[in-house]
Formats: sequence, structure tokens, C-alpha cells
Amino acid sequence: EAGVVQSPRYKIIEKKQPVAFWCNPISGHNTLYWYLQNLGQGPELLIRYENEEAVDDSQLPKDRFSAERLKGVDSTLKIQPAELGDSAVYLCASSLGASRNTGELFFGEGSRLTVL
Amino acid sequence: GNSVTQMEGPVTLSEEAFLTINCTYTATGYPSLFWYVQYPGEGLQLLLKATKADDKGSNKGFEATYRKETTSFHLEKGSVQVSDSAVYFCALSSGGYQKVTFGIGTKLQVIP
Repeated sequence: EAGVVQSPRYKIIEKKQPVAFWCNPISGHNTLYWYLQNLGQGPELLIRYENEEAVDDSQLPKDRFSAERLKGVDSTLKIQPAELGDSAVYLCASSLGASRNTGELFFGEGSRLTVL
Repeated sequence: GNSVTQMEGPVTLSEEAFLTINCTYTATGYPSLFWYVQYPGEGLQLLLKATKADDKGSNKGFEATYRKETTSFHLEKGSVQVSDSAVYFCALSSGGYQKVTFGIGTKLQVIP
């Protein structure tokens, strides 16, 4: 069974440029998460989807960040424009839907962003 | 709100040494507690979990006991191996697993 797939693994951009990250969760996982991980810190939730609905986006900086999960499967996280402080690893995770959730999150390998 | 506090690393141990990584939490209600591990170049993966007070989670020789009275979930292993070198994250979830809060992670380096 394939795990959570993220791309790109690495991205280097100039500040004020846009960037997008893509995530394909494990098949059958209804819940999808985007986390931000700064160097030396733990993951911090940006947004959580139940199927195609964003049920928790309270930590997403909506002035420059956006996300979508149009068909309730894969998801895209976008930053426009990027700032120097956005340099971090963006993690995608998935889990079984709320009614079947065991609490285990399955993570992708992350997308490392460097903003110059 | 919920929070997790874990000891800062890095922790450097010789092979076969005893490991303890401390983790304490603050949460409303009755959270579930987790330890995740991130090996070099890989994504985070669940190591073990405990869902109620006094439960002990175990996996790969690692153990952690849910202590409600001290709000702790310390990770232990009796004899570490070089292959255990990784970053370990303590985490909790509440609200039916919907919100997961992570600690800052503790890097473990095991030397031969």
C-alpha cells in the first residue's frame, strides 16, 4: 500500500514568488492535514480536511496561504507571495475518517521550502 | 489550550544504554497520548500510543505509561541501538482524535 505522497521534496524560491505543494493521501483516508514544521520545532497544524471540507483552518494565515481538496482526495497548499519566514518543512498527513479514527496520523516525507 | 512539553535534545547515548525522554502535557478532558518517531530522511511515524490513564503503550522495545496524576508520558527503552537514532515527538489528541498537538521533538543520537 502506498503511503502519503508529497511533492516537491525541495523547493527554493525568491521572496514574493508563489509556491504550491501537492499531497496525495493514503487511499481511503478521509481526513487530511497540512502541518508546518520549523527547524527544531514540532509540527503545527495549518488546516484539516474531512473529505473536501476544511473543518479546522484557524491556524492558516489566510492573507497569503490557501489550500484546496476539491474531490476529497489529493490536496494542494499554496503560498502567494512567499516571505522569508515561510522557510520550513510543510508536512501532509492523513488518517481514517472521524468515525474510524484510531488517532494515528500517517505522514508524508514533507516538502522543504527555502525562501531567499 | 492543549500543549506538550518535552525535554530538549540532543540526547547522546552509547549503544545498550537506558533511554528516558520526558514528556508532560496540559489538556482539557481526557486526551490520548502518542510518541512519533522521525528517522533521518523519512516522515513521522507512530511509535506507540495510550488512550487512557495507566495504559502502557509499547513497540520496538520502547514503552511509555500514561500518568494522569503527573500529566506525563515519558518514553523509555532499556537498551538503545544505533538504529534508534532519530527525532522523537510526544503528542496528544483530544476531541475524538481530531486535534493533534506535538511537542518540539527530542533528537536522539546513539553511538557505537
